[in-house]
Amino acid sequence: AQSVTQPDIHITVSEGASLELRCNYSYGATPYLFWYVQSPGQGLQLLLKYFSGDTLVQGIKGFEAEFKRSQSSFNLRKPSVHWSDAAEYFCAVGGYGGSQGNLIFGKGTKLSVKP
Amino acid sequence: NAGVTQTPKFQVLKTGQSMTLQCAQDMNHEYMSWYRQDPGMGLRLIHYSVGAGITDQGEVPNGYNVSRSTTEDFPLRLLSAAPSQTSVYFCASRRDGINSPLHFGNGTRLTVT
Repeated sequence: AQSVTQPDIHITVSEGASLELRCNYSYGATPYLFWYVQSPGQGLQLLLKYFSGDTLVQGIKGFEAEFKRSQSSFNLRKPSVHWSDAAEYFCAVGGYGGSQGNLIFGKGTKLSVKP
Repeated sequence: NAGVTQTPKFQVLKTGQSMTLQCAQDMNHEYMSWYRQDPGMGLRLIHYSVGAGITDQGEVPNGYNVSRSTTEDFPLRLLSAAPSQTSVYFCASRRDGINSPLHFGNGTRLTVT
């Protein structure tokens, strides 16, 4: 079955520290991978996406993610976290395989930033 | 360019009442969808549509109806609200192509008492 796992429910990092949010997926076809961010009371905003090609993708707000097919992972990273990065982050997978491209979302990781 | 607009932002219903959550997009997107978000559950797909006149069920369709008479609008109907439908509902759309990202509305917070 297709699924997305975000192992960390809540992560706290200090401002200026590096960040890595984990995402593992199970998908029978070629996956399209996305990271979204949700600020309190808001909808989801796309951070970055991976379809093919270079496995390291750059997104908005200084985020990047690396696709590792052998590990079925698509981890999100940022070298230096800012207080405004505090939000909830969702990994999602979609693609072919009869799903009409419907995205499957992970359960999210909430990021808190200490001053 | 308004993007995806959801109304209302907040709603309180009593068990058994019906209501419609509105969703409109002005990007001429063929694909539209409804998700519900519950704590610790992420987003789960309720219904989706790949174009006017075409709808299909997602992961959690029970208790919800949809229709798609125009490209712009995709309302979600609760026929007889239940406390289990207390949730935050998001409408999302995308242009053609399954590798296109979803554009989300700001959500409707629904409480059923």
